[in-house]
Amino acid sequence: NAGVMQNPRHLVRRRGQEARLRCSPMKGHSHVYWYRQLPEEGLKFMVYLQKENIIDESGMPKERFSAEFPKEGPSILRIQQVVRGDSAAYFCASSLDVGQAGYTFGSGTRLTVV
Amino acid sequence: DQQVKQNSPSLSVQEGRISILNCDYTNSMFDYFLWYKKYPAEGPTFLISISSIKDKNEDGRFTVFLNKSAKHLSLHIVPSQPGDSAVYFCAARVGGATNKLIFGTGTLLAVQP
Repeated sequence: NAGVMQNPRHLVRRRGQEARLRCSPMKGHSHVYWYRQLPEEGLKFMVYLQKENIIDESGMPKERFSAEFPKEGPSILRIQQVVRGDSAAYFCASSLDVGQAGYTFGSGTRLTVV
Repeated sequence: DQQVKQNSPSLSVQEGRISILNCDYTNSMFDYFLWYKKYPAEGPTFLISISSIKDKNEDGRFTVFLNKSAKHLSLHIVPSQPGDSAVYFCAARVGGATNKLIFGTGTLLAVQP
């Protein structure tokens, strides 16, 4: 039973390009969460999605960031016109239901903006 | 506004001894508290959790204590092993329709052989 799969593991983008980060939840999990970890900081919540719905996007920057979790396929975190400050580790997690407190994280995507 | 605080950036312990990691919080509405362990270049791994209505939860070598009046929780690892060396994050869950976790900044535990 594969865990939460994130790809790519490492992503390098030039300033102004777009970054697409993918997350496949654990089998049977329909709740997906995205977190960002800046250097020397803890993880910060970005967004919580269920299939085809955004439930809580209170941690998403107002511009350039968007997330989706379509009926088929992985969840996508999209960052348009990346800037150096977007360089961070982005972690995706999934859970079976909203009541499950300890959800499972993927290995993350490390985004570097040059 | 840091709602979950881990004031010790690092901790060094001898193998076989007890490791105690501490965490303070400010929001009384959190309904669950969790500890995650993280190795470099990997995602956090869930260790143990405690409901806000409990004061202790134990799982093998790991015990979490919750003191609601002091808004403080701690993770005890005994006996500590070199493989426990990692960054430990305390997290608190916001109750309600969202399953959002608020993380502390982490404590780097080094267990010396």
